[in-house]
Amino acid sequence: QVQLVESGGGVVQPGGSLRLSCAASGFTFSSYGMQWVRQAPGKGLEWVAFIRPDGSNTYYADSVKGRFTISRDSSKNTLYLQMNSLRAEDTAVYYCAKNMGSGSYAFDYWGQGTLVTVSS
Amino acid sequence: QSALTQPASVSGSPGQSITISCTGTSSDVGIYNLVSWYQQHPGKAPKVMIYEVRKRPSGVSNRFSGSKSGNTASLTISGLQAEDEADYYCCSYAGSSTWVFGTGTKVTVL
Repeated sequence: QVQLVESGGGVVQPGGSLRLSCAASGFTFSSYGMQWVRQAPGKGLEWVAFIRPDGSNTYYADSVKGRFTISRDSSKNTLYLQMNSLRAEDTAVYYCAKNMGSGSYAFDYWGQGTLVTVSS
Repeated sequence: QSALTQPASVSGSPGQSITISCTGTSSDVGIYNLVSWYQQHPGKAPKVMIYEVRKRPSGVSNRFSGSKSGNTASLTISGLQAEDEADYYCCSYAGSSTWVFGTGTKVTVL
């Protein structure tokens, strides 16, 4: 069965960096686009970043562009989110999600999320 | 990349039908038939309920249905059940490999 397991969250000071990981299993990782979506405490979902199946192209929300980098390692079936220059407003649960299929624009599997807290 | 607009809350009695609206613009909801809906119970990850405006993934109850008119998409839950109490989010493709979520709607079963 499909599983997505995030890790790497924690407490970091403003201006600091953190790298999140999402270990994927149960599907052919290299065949699917992958996403990061975040949810601030008590708030709604916010799309963060997308990476194509082969990792050739990446896309970002304006709120994180230039500070966050999404990447993937198909040899390890793992998705990453490198977060630099972190701000208080980046505090959120970060979810990785799998695209439903080739040419699909919905997300059918999500991880359980990892909490990132940016605070001094 | 402004969030799509949803009502903050919708409620209904068991067995009733409710509809949640999701209003975007001609740059997202209005131009793409790529709206999806997600159900999220407290402390849990979102679950896709509808994709491509009106398609239901395998395993999702046919009590859930989707539609779209102009810049507004809608999710209807018929035969409301206690287990439907959750937060619901719409999401639209917004072009150039970007997406935008709605503000979220809390559904309460009275």
